[in-house]
Amino acid sequence: GAVVSQHPSWVICKSGTSVKIECRSLDFQATTMFWYRQFPKQSLMLMATSNEGSKATYEQGVEKDKFLINHASLTLSTLTVTSAHPEDSSFYICSARGLKGLAGDEQYFGPGTRLTVT
Amino acid sequence: TQLLEQSPQFLSIQEGENLTVYCNSSSVFSSLQWYRQEPGEGPVLLVTVVTGGEVKKLKRLTFQFGDARKDSSLHITAAQPGDTGLYLCAGALYYNTDKLIFGTGTRLQVFP
Repeated sequence: GAVVSQHPSWVICKSGTSVKIECRSLDFQATTMFWYRQFPKQSLMLMATSNEGSKATYEQGVEKDKFLINHASLTLSTLTVTSAHPEDSSFYICSARGLKGLAGDEQYFGPGTRLTVT
Repeated sequence: TQLLEQSPQFLSIQEGENLTVYCNSSSVFSSLQWYRQEPGEGPVLLVTVVTGGEVKKLKRLTFQFGDARKDSSLHITAAQPGDTGLYLCAGALYYNTDKLIFGTGTRLQVFP
């Protein structure tokens, strides 16, 4: 159980275009989804937290107009990188958290999306 | 300022050796998770610890949560090449459990 998928797994786009990445929880309802980015050989940096049906909460330094997040249902969240530039090239990973259990904080991660902006 | 510092940053060992990875903070966490990530993939959850002093074992991996819930360790016995990967600790802050704070990561390479 607790499977999270991402689509696409990799994408190459030209500078100035927009790219949408989907994150789906396949076998559970995700009350909260998280978006991270990871640069080579580095750890994960949280970009934003989204709860179904409400606006995303962005971390300090993350431009909300550039990284549009939509969490329209309990199984789907999307991240749109608008007007992408080469510096946006990164590995984007989503995670999903369902109803809180004893541990309460476990997140299940998607396989990631490699974005390359040329 | 990085809330969760992992050490060592890199570790390269021979098959059969033992190793310990540390995850330290000055903050208190309500729970702490350990993940392993392979290149081009998302992190995979290994364990969650929630009680101060808790020890959990997963085959050759032993995880410990510090008594004060500020630190954790991962010990691998008789490492194998399949253990190679990026190990990440991540904690939910005691006063804000909504999000995880990830550690700086430890890259482990086990040679046959």
